[in-house]
Amino acid sequence: DIQMTQYPSSLSASVGDRVTITCRTSQDISNYLAWYQQKPGKVPKLLIYAASTLQSGVPSRFSGSGSGTDFTLTIRSLQPEDVATYYCQKYNSAPQTFGPGTKVEIK
Amino acid sequence: QVQLVESGGGVVQPGTSLRLSCAASGFTFSTYGMHWVRQAPGKGLEWVALTSLDGTNKDYADAVKGRFTISRDNSKNTLYLQMNSLRIEDTAVYYCATLGVPWGQGTLVTVSS
Repeated sequence: DIQMTQYPSSLSASVGDRVTITCRTSQDISNYLAWYQQKPGKVPKLLIYAASTLQSGVPSRFSGSGSGTDFTLTIRSLQPEDVATYYCQKYNSAPQTFGPGTKVEIK
Repeated sequence: QVQLVESGGGVVQPGTSLRLSCAASGFTFSTYGMHWVRQAPGKGLEWVALTSLDGTNKDYADAVKGRFTISRDNSKNTLYLQMNSLRIEDTAVYYCATLGVPWGQGTLVTVSS
């Protein structure tokens, strides 16, 4: 099975900072990668699919890039409401594994 | 509106069975592959199973293979997860999901003696 790694596992940044989260897969998955945001006590929400396509209604400060085995989620200007855990997920084939998550906090 | 509503969770003993349901509305259910995803308390997201549009193709995570069965009834816009031989480590909130559709609130399964 393809292994998913995410880093950092957690980060603390100031409001307005640019934040980058990386997801790496052990095999080429083309662009079959999604990013989810899960706020504390809430249901996961899709942010990005196909590695770089913003889901409708998601603020434009979120962006995704990458293909193959290396992907990034960028928050252009961190806002207090972005405090959450972020997960990547591969969906090229089963198992559609999630990454271990990155917890984002405000400094 | 577009909605997924899970039900059927509860508290059960190890070794017993439970069937979860997920009612879909607001979108053409029969045109979406569907998944179950779970989240143990305080842990990350774990993909559990998927079924193809017509239910003929299915895949499972190794942790549930041979014990869980995913199925769907497109005439009822409903997804199911039959869970047999439940283990303590199956304790989690179970979500049905498909890419692009907002997740439901999930249903909590607690396996405890």
